[in-house]
This record gives sequence, C-alpha cells and structure tokens, in this order.
Amino acid sequence: GESVGLHLPTLSVQEGDNSIINCAYSNSASDYFIWYKQESGKGPQFIIDIRSNMDKRQGQRVTVLLNKTVKHLSLQIAATQPGDSAVYFCAEGGYSTLTFGKGTMLLVSP
Amino acid sequence: ETGVTQTPRHLVMGMTNKKSLKCEQHLGHNAMYWYKQSAKKPLELMFVYSLEERVENNSVPSRFSPECPNSSHLFLHLHTLQPEDSALYLCASSPRGGAKEKLFFGSGTQLSVL
Repeated sequence: GESVGLHLPTLSVQEGDNSIINCAYSNSASDYFIWYKQESGKGPQFIIDIRSNMDKRQGQRVTVLLNKTVKHLSLQIAATQPGDSAVYFCAEGGYSTLTFGKGTMLLVSP
Repeated sequence: ETGVTQTPRHLVMGMTNKKSLKCEQHLGHNAMYWYKQSAKKPLELMFVYSLEERVENNSVPSRFSPECPNSSHLFLHLHTLQPEDSALYLCASSPRGGAKEKLFFGSGTQLSVL
C-alpha cells in the first residue's frame, strides 16, 4: 500500500529559531492530513490538521502547508522553545483510518 | 489530559502469562482504537471499534484479543505473547470513526515480554 514518510529523522535547532518539519505522502487520494506531537512517556497529542481544499492553515505558533502538486506537507513552528522538543508525526486520511509516518525528532537547544 | 486513560502504564509479563490492558475515554466518542508503537516504526493500527462493533482488524495475531463492552471502554487481552510483542500500546478514540477526523490518544501501556 501507499505510505507516508518523513525526510529528516532528527532536526536540531536553537531556541528562538523557526523549525520546519517535512512530510511526503504518496496517496493522491488522501484529502485529510494531521500533525501530532509525542513527548517522551506520553501518547501522541494533536497539533493541527488540514483538508485538501486548503493550502495553508495556522494555529498558535504553528503553520501547516500542503502542496498537493508534489504531495508534500510541512509543519512550521515559530520561535521554537525547549518545550517543543518531541517526536512529530504526520498522518494522512482518505478512505480508511489514518496512516502515520515514522516521525521526526525535534531537539531544541537553549 | 486528553480524556483517554490507559492502565497500567507499564507491564512486564512472561510468555505464558495472561494479562489485559484497559482503556477508558471520557469524551463521548463513538469509536475506539488500539495501536502498537514499536521503536523506529510508524504507528500500527491493530483494531477499530465503532459503536462497540469491530470494524477493522489489521491481521493481528490471535494472541491479541480485543473487547469493547461499551463505547467508553476498550480492553486488549493478551496471552502467550512473544518477545517481539514488546512495544508501547496506545488506545485512541474519535467522534465517529471516520478516516478524516482526529484521534485522541492515551498515554499508552509500555509492555515488556520476557
């Protein structure tokens, strides 16, 4: 079956920098996308989602961009803080339940 | 706090033991899920229940047996497990069980099979 993947397994940034986490998806029929954050010892926590009729959606300090032409999804975190250190997953939804990517570890240095 | 509670948080069991994982959601959702999370692998869907009916079973070995007595509770009964079953088991819920809605996860049960 088709899968969701991530370009970078680990991303290290300095506190205050902007972070960008990327995700490639291959199922062109997917029309719902979602980002989760997972801190050590906790379950995944919803960050933001976007439907395919949108290219961009903003939340608090986070922005998700969707490029359907190249099947690419990104999560931008503004003014990254040490508390943002976690694993970030993207997932896609289409006809069945969500399919998850492997995750990217974000490390934020003070 | 996501409204999804899992117990126990940690479990160590031998291959001949029988144990159960419990999940409870306080969100009024109609769908509940079991996922397996292994190191360096994507979340793997195991079971989906919608309105207490099992709607999806992703070819999970029979040594894992789910039970959904009502829309708020979900169990995963374990017996004769293998060491490769050691993983974090996550429960989740969603409003309706569709493919285009967000899941609310519990904190998981970290299972170690000796």
